[in-house]
Amino acid sequence: KNEVEQSPQNLTAQEGEFITINCSYSVGISALHWLQQHPGGGIVSLFMLSSGKKKHGRLIATINIQEKHSSLHITASHPRDSAVYICAVRSAVGGTSYGKLTFGQGTILTVHP
Amino acid sequence: DTAVSQTPKYLVTQMGNDKSIKCEQNLGHDTMYWYKQDSKKFLKIMFSYNNKELIINETVPNRFSPKSPDKAHLNLHINSLELGDSAVYFCASRLGGDPDTQYFGPGTRLTVL
Repeated sequence: KNEVEQSPQNLTAQEGEFITINCSYSVGISALHWLQQHPGGGIVSLFMLSSGKKKHGRLIATINIQEKHSSLHITASHPRDSAVYICAVRSAVGGTSYGKLTFGQGTILTVHP
Repeated sequence: DTAVSQTPKYLVTQMGNDKSIKCEQNLGHDTMYWYKQDSKKFLKIMFSYNNKELIINETVPNRFSPKSPDKAHLNLHINSLELGDSAVYFCASRLGGDPDTQYFGPGTRLTVL
């Protein structure tokens, strides 16, 4: 079993819908990242969280450290949000460890017009 | 003004050959990484260098050898290529400290025939 599990693996939505992608992890972490991989292949960092909640435009990321769970929400989804969304955790073991990340398997999001 | 660049973008080669992928970052970051993304889009760390020093070396066959001539460059040399090496290889860099954001290169798609 992977240390980082995402759900769902595939998600299809209609434009305008509210979307939630979940990430659960089984190790102690110092930070959690949400990444977006565009259909063209490029990877962009969306958020880094160590507690609470962050918002950027239509994207909101939350984390519950006690429950070892994070969610990425997209409000008013748009076809251009179609991408693979990847959760990654930075382990707390061995200190900050130069930012070594362990990744979830990704969620493929398709938003139809 | 590409922040993290990789060459080549595509690499098609025969089994048994030796090939290199180059990565350069112009962000002034101290830490660089190589990641492998398999056909199921699963990302896994391979190596990391901090100021030209190897700091992360995951369970990777020793046919893979990273080299960092200076802190702006991290190259990946692969000997005796195998079919299973076919994947997309991403380079990334990180300044260190907070925010702990990693900046990814565009990826190199390696196909071994």
